[in-house]
Amino acid sequence: SAVISQKPSRDICQRGTSLTIQCQVDSQVTMMFWYRQQPGQSLTLIATANQGSEATYESGFVIDKFPISRPNLTFSTLTVSNMSPEDSSIYLCSVDRQGNEQFFGPGTRLTVL
Amino acid sequence: SQQGEEDPQALSIQEGENATMNCSYKTSINNLQWYRQNSGRGLVHLILIRSNEREKHSGRLRVTLDTSKKSSSLLITASRAADTASYFCATVLTSGTYKYIFGTGTRLKVLA
Repeated sequence: SAVISQKPSRDICQRGTSLTIQCQVDSQVTMMFWYRQQPGQSLTLIATANQGSEATYESGFVIDKFPISRPNLTFSTLTVSNMSPEDSSIYLCSVDRQGNEQFFGPGTRLTVL
Repeated sequence: SQQGEEDPQALSIQEGENATMNCSYKTSINNLQWYRQNSGRGLVHLILIRSNEREKHSGRLRVTLDTSKKSSSLLITASRAADTASYFCATVLTSGTYKYIFGTGTRLKVLA
Protein backbone atom coordinates (compact mmCIF):
# COMPACT_ATOMS: atom_id res chain seq x y z
CA SER A 1 0.00 0.00 0.00
CA ALA A 2 0.95 3.65 -0.13
CA VAL A 3 0.22 6.50 2.23
CA ILE A 4 -0.31 9.85 0.56
CA SER A 5 -0.61 13.26 2.14
CA GLN A 6 -1.74 16.48 0.53
CA LYS A 7 -1.33 20.10 1.52
CA PRO A 8 -3.33 22.18 1.97
CA SER A 9 -6.42 20.20 2.89
CA ARG A 10 -8.59 23.14 1.92
CA ASP A 11 -8.26 26.75 0.87
CA ILE A 12 -10.38 29.72 -0.10
CA CYS A 13 -8.77 31.88 -2.76
CA GLN A 14 -9.52 35.04 -4.69
CA ARG A 15 -10.02 34.90 -8.43
CA GLY A 16 -6.92 35.65 -10.46
CA THR A 17 -4.55 34.17 -7.90
CA SER A 18 -2.72 30.82 -7.99
CA LEU A 19 -2.55 27.94 -5.54
CA THR A 20 0.05 25.19 -5.37
CA ILE A 21 -1.02 21.83 -3.99
CA GLN A 22 1.59 19.45 -2.65
CA CYS A 23 1.43 15.67 -2.74
CA GLN A 24 3.80 13.48 -0.73
CA VAL A 25 4.02 9.70 -0.96
CA ASP A 26 5.64 7.46 1.65
CA SER A 27 7.39 5.33 -0.97
CA GLN A 28 9.04 5.84 -4.33
CA VAL A 29 6.66 5.63 -7.29
CA THR A 30 7.15 6.13 -10.98
CA MET A 31 3.81 7.69 -11.89
CA MET A 32 1.62 10.08 -9.98
CA PHE A 33 -1.81 11.20 -11.09
CA TRP A 34 -3.72 14.42 -10.52
CA TYR A 35 -7.51 14.47 -10.66
CA ARG A 36 -10.17 17.13 -10.37
CA GLN A 37 -13.56 16.42 -8.86
CA GLN A 38 -16.09 19.17 -9.35
CA PRO A 39 -18.95 19.41 -6.85
CA GLY A 40 -21.17 16.35 -7.04
CA GLN A 41 -19.26 14.95 -9.98
CA SER A 42 -16.90 12.11 -10.72
CA LEU A 43 -13.13 12.26 -11.03
CA THR A 44 -11.53 13.69 -14.14
CA LEU A 45 -7.86 13.02 -14.81
CA ILE A 46 -5.88 16.23 -15.26
CA ALA A 47 -2.44 14.80 -15.94
CA THR A 48 0.03 12.05 -15.26
CA ALA A 49 3.35 13.07 -13.73
CA ASN A 50 6.46 10.98 -14.32
CA GLN A 51 9.68 11.79 -12.52
CA GLY A 52 12.24 13.29 -14.86
CA SER A 53 9.90 14.13 -17.70
CA GLU A 54 7.15 16.55 -18.60
CA ALA A 55 3.70 15.74 -17.32
CA THR A 56 1.20 14.29 -19.77
CA TYR A 57 -2.01 16.31 -19.85
CA GLU A 58 -5.47 15.06 -20.72
CA SER A 59 -7.69 16.72 -23.27
CA GLY A 60 -9.05 19.97 -21.92
CA PHE A 61 -6.18 20.60 -19.51
CA VAL A 62 -3.10 22.66 -20.39
CA ILE A 63 0.24 23.20 -18.75
CA ASP A 64 -0.16 26.98 -18.51
CA LYS A 65 -3.26 26.55 -16.36
CA PHE A 66 -2.14 23.49 -14.38
CA PRO A 67 1.65 23.38 -14.21
CA ILE A 68 2.97 20.26 -12.50
CA SER A 69 6.33 19.57 -10.96
CA ARG A 70 7.79 16.16 -10.16
CA PRO A 71 11.21 16.77 -8.64
CA ASN A 72 11.67 13.27 -7.20
CA LEU A 73 10.00 9.88 -6.84
CA THR A 74 7.99 10.77 -3.71
CA PHE A 75 6.73 14.28 -4.35
CA SER A 76 4.69 16.30 -6.83
CA THR A 77 2.95 19.65 -6.98
CA LEU A 78 0.00 20.88 -8.97
CA THR A 79 -0.55 24.60 -9.40
CA VAL A 80 -3.95 25.98 -10.31
CA SER A 81 -3.16 29.27 -12.04
CA ASN A 82 -5.18 32.41 -12.58
CA MET A 83 -8.11 30.89 -10.75
CA SER A 84 -11.77 31.52 -11.45
CA PRO A 85 -14.84 30.27 -9.55
CA GLU A 86 -15.10 27.43 -12.09
CA ASP A 87 -11.89 26.01 -10.62
CA SER A 88 -13.64 25.34 -7.32
CA SER A 89 -13.22 21.60 -6.91
CA ILE A 90 -11.55 18.89 -4.94
CA TYR A 91 -8.10 18.11 -6.29
CA LEU A 92 -6.77 14.63 -5.66
CA CYS A 93 -3.41 13.05 -6.23
CA SER A 94 -2.93 9.34 -6.49
CA VAL A 95 -0.41 6.62 -7.24
CA ASP A 96 -0.96 3.38 -9.03
CA ARG A 97 0.04 -0.19 -8.26
CA GLN A 98 0.65 -1.43 -11.79
CA GLY A 99 -2.95 -1.06 -12.87
CA ASN A 100 -4.30 -3.08 -9.96
CA GLU A 101 -5.21 -0.33 -7.54
CA GLN A 102 -4.93 3.39 -7.04
CA PHE A 103 -4.11 4.93 -3.69
CA PHE A 104 -5.49 8.42 -3.18
CA GLY A 105 -4.54 11.33 -1.05
CA PRO A 106 -7.23 12.93 1.13
CA GLY A 107 -7.80 15.69 -1.39
CA THR A 108 -7.56 19.47 -1.40
CA ARG A 109 -10.89 21.28 -1.34
CA LEU A 110 -10.51 24.55 -3.23
CA THR A 111 -13.06 27.36 -3.22
CA VAL A 112 -12.48 30.34 -5.51
CA LEU A 113 -14.42 33.52 -4.78
CA SER B 1 -16.37 11.18 -23.33
CA GLN B 2 -14.83 7.92 -22.22
CA GLN B 3 -16.40 8.16 -18.80
CA GLY B 4 -18.45 5.21 -17.64
CA GLU B 5 -22.05 5.54 -16.63
CA GLU B 6 -23.38 4.35 -13.32
CA ASP B 7 -26.90 3.85 -12.18
CA PRO B 8 -28.68 4.66 -10.14
CA GLN B 9 -27.21 8.10 -9.50
CA ALA B 10 -28.56 7.93 -5.97
CA LEU B 11 -29.90 5.12 -3.82
CA SER B 12 -31.52 5.21 -0.40
CA ILE B 13 -32.16 1.99 1.50
CA GLN B 14 -32.79 0.76 5.01
CA GLU B 15 -30.09 -0.81 7.10
CA GLY B 16 -29.97 -4.57 6.50
CA GLU B 17 -31.15 -4.34 2.92
CA ASN B 18 -28.99 -5.07 -0.09
CA ALA B 19 -27.71 -2.32 -2.39
CA THR B 20 -26.99 -2.89 -6.06
CA MET B 21 -25.31 -0.41 -8.34
CA ASN B 22 -24.42 -0.81 -11.99
CA CYS B 23 -21.63 0.43 -14.20
CA SER B 24 -21.40 0.51 -17.98
CA TYR B 25 -18.27 1.35 -19.92
CA LYS B 26 -17.25 1.90 -23.51
CA THR B 27 -13.86 0.41 -24.31
CA SER B 28 -11.96 -2.85 -23.89
CA ILE B 29 -10.54 -3.14 -20.42
CA ASN B 30 -7.76 -4.82 -18.52
CA ASN B 31 -9.74 -4.84 -15.30
CA LEU B 32 -12.53 -3.01 -13.52
CA GLN B 33 -12.34 -1.71 -9.98
CA TRP B 34 -14.80 -0.30 -7.48
CA TYR B 35 -13.98 2.53 -5.09
CA ARG B 36 -15.77 4.18 -2.19
CA GLN B 37 -15.59 7.87 -1.32
CA ASN B 38 -16.78 9.27 1.98
CA SER B 39 -17.84 12.92 2.07
CA GLY B 40 -15.59 14.24 -0.68
CA ARG B 41 -12.44 12.67 0.69
CA GLY B 42 -9.94 10.44 -1.08
CA LEU B 43 -11.20 7.27 -2.69
CA VAL B 44 -10.64 3.86 -1.14
CA HIS B 45 -10.19 0.76 -3.28
CA LEU B 46 -12.80 -1.93 -2.63
CA ILE B 47 -12.38 -4.72 -5.14
CA LEU B 48 -10.90 -5.55 -8.53
CA ILE B 49 -12.25 -7.91 -11.17
CA ARG B 50 -10.20 -8.87 -14.20
CA SER B 51 -11.54 -8.99 -17.73
CA ASN B 52 -11.44 -12.81 -17.74
CA GLU B 53 -13.43 -13.12 -14.50
CA ARG B 54 -17.20 -13.09 -14.21
CA GLU B 55 -17.77 -12.79 -10.48
CA LYS B 56 -15.81 -11.97 -7.39
CA HIS B 57 -16.57 -11.76 -3.67
CA SER B 58 -14.99 -9.88 -0.83
CA GLY B 59 -16.77 -9.92 2.51
CA ARG B 60 -20.20 -8.33 1.96
CA LEU B 61 -19.27 -7.24 -1.55
CA ARG B 62 -20.09 -9.13 -4.72
CA VAL B 63 -18.98 -7.88 -8.11
CA THR B 64 -19.99 -9.22 -11.50
CA LEU B 65 -18.56 -8.40 -14.89
CA ASP B 66 -20.09 -8.98 -18.32
CA THR B 67 -17.56 -7.96 -20.95
CA SER B 68 -19.96 -8.72 -23.81
CA LYS B 69 -22.33 -6.06 -22.44
CA LYS B 70 -19.52 -3.88 -21.12
CA SER B 71 -21.15 -3.72 -17.74
CA SER B 72 -20.48 -4.52 -14.10
CA SER B 73 -22.51 -4.53 -10.92
CA LEU B 74 -21.60 -4.11 -7.27
CA LEU B 75 -23.80 -5.70 -4.64
CA ILE B 76 -23.45 -4.76 -0.98
CA THR B 77 -25.31 -7.23 1.20
CA ALA B 78 -26.75 -6.53 4.65
CA SER B 79 -25.96 -2.83 4.37
CA ARG B 80 -24.97 -0.74 7.36
CA ALA B 81 -25.20 2.98 8.05
CA ALA B 82 -21.40 3.10 7.69
CA ASP B 83 -21.78 2.06 4.04
CA THR B 84 -23.22 5.49 3.29
CA ALA B 85 -20.85 6.91 0.68
CA SER B 86 -20.39 7.46 -3.03
CA TYR B 87 -19.31 4.45 -5.06
CA PHE B 88 -17.37 4.68 -8.31
CA CYS B 89 -16.38 2.09 -10.83
CA ALA B 90 -13.08 2.57 -12.63
CA THR B 91 -11.99 0.83 -15.76
CA VAL B 92 -8.33 0.35 -16.50
CA LEU B 93 -7.59 0.57 -20.19
CA THR B 94 -5.45 -1.97 -21.96
CA SER B 95 -3.61 0.32 -24.35
CA GLY B 96 -0.53 2.35 -23.44
CA THR B 97 0.17 3.16 -19.82
CA TYR B 98 -2.33 2.34 -17.10
CA LYS B 99 -5.17 4.81 -17.35
CA TYR B 100 -8.18 4.77 -15.06
CA ILE B 101 -11.53 6.00 -16.30
CA PHE B 102 -13.97 6.65 -13.46
CA GLY B 103 -17.72 6.25 -13.74
CA THR B 104 -20.23 8.90 -12.79
CA GLY B 105 -20.80 7.41 -9.35
CA THR B 106 -23.70 6.23 -7.19
CA ARG B 107 -24.52 8.06 -3.97
CA LEU B 108 -25.69 5.48 -1.45
CA LYS B 109 -27.50 6.42 1.72
CA VAL B 110 -28.22 3.71 4.27
CA LEU B 111 -30.83 4.69 6.83
CA ALA B 112 -30.53 3.35 10.36
